[in-house]
Amino acid sequence: QLQLQESGPGLVKPSETLSLTCTVSGGSISSSSYYWGWIRQPPGKGLEWIGSIYYSGYTYYNPSLKSRLTISVDTSKNQISLKLSSVTAADTAVYYCARNVDGGFGDYFDYWGQGTLVTVSS
Amino acid sequence: DIQMTQSPSSLSASVGDRVTITCRASQSIRNYLNWYQQKPGKAPKLLIYAASSLQSGVPSRFSGSGSGTDFTLTISSVQREDFATYYCQQSYNTKTFGQGTKVEIK
Repeated sequence: QLQLQESGPGLVKPSETLSLTCTVSGGSISSSSYYWGWIRQPPGKGLEWIGSIYYSGYTYYNPSLKSRLTISVDTSKNQISLKLSSVTAADTAVYYCARNVDGGFGDYFDYWGQGTLVTVSS
Repeated sequence: DIQMTQSPSSLSASVGDRVTITCRASQSIRNYLNWYQQKPGKAPKLLIYAASSLQSGVPSRFSGSGSGTDFTLTISSVQREDFATYYCQQSYNTKTFGQGTKVEIK
């Protein structure tokens, strides 16, 4: 059974960089069939796609976050990582990683991690 | 950017009712539309992909339809475990989610 687990600091100071890791178990991150994505959800609000990465390192990002965002992959550890710089209180959210399937008619997220809450506060 | 608008924002239903949620895209997205269910404190769960394809393991009372700009998620006979928030998501141009529809018990 595929499992995804997010990890990282739960508290980040304004203007600093938010860093999270997603560890995939029960399957290989190097599968050619899938991308791997990050999605976030501010408390009490809706979902926002952050970006996705292929095992080769190819990335595509939400244009609204692109200038502050880096997503990377470490196939040896079966992990993807997220770095979001210059954070503000608006970046406070539950951050999810998910498997991103390219189904031929668009793509979708079929497996999700449990999510991790990151609060931006001094 | 493609905007996704769901209606209604919330609804109340009794067990056994037929429930319909609508999602409208600001431009045509062909059938690049997915539906998710989210319960409080949990990650979203994929229900429907490519507008009408039922994800493996999802009960057949869930169905999706539509193409272009207008889409519908239907629960044919809502069960107690279906009370949750539902989101549509387009993947035609980057990815955006609707604002969600909360389905509550009447």
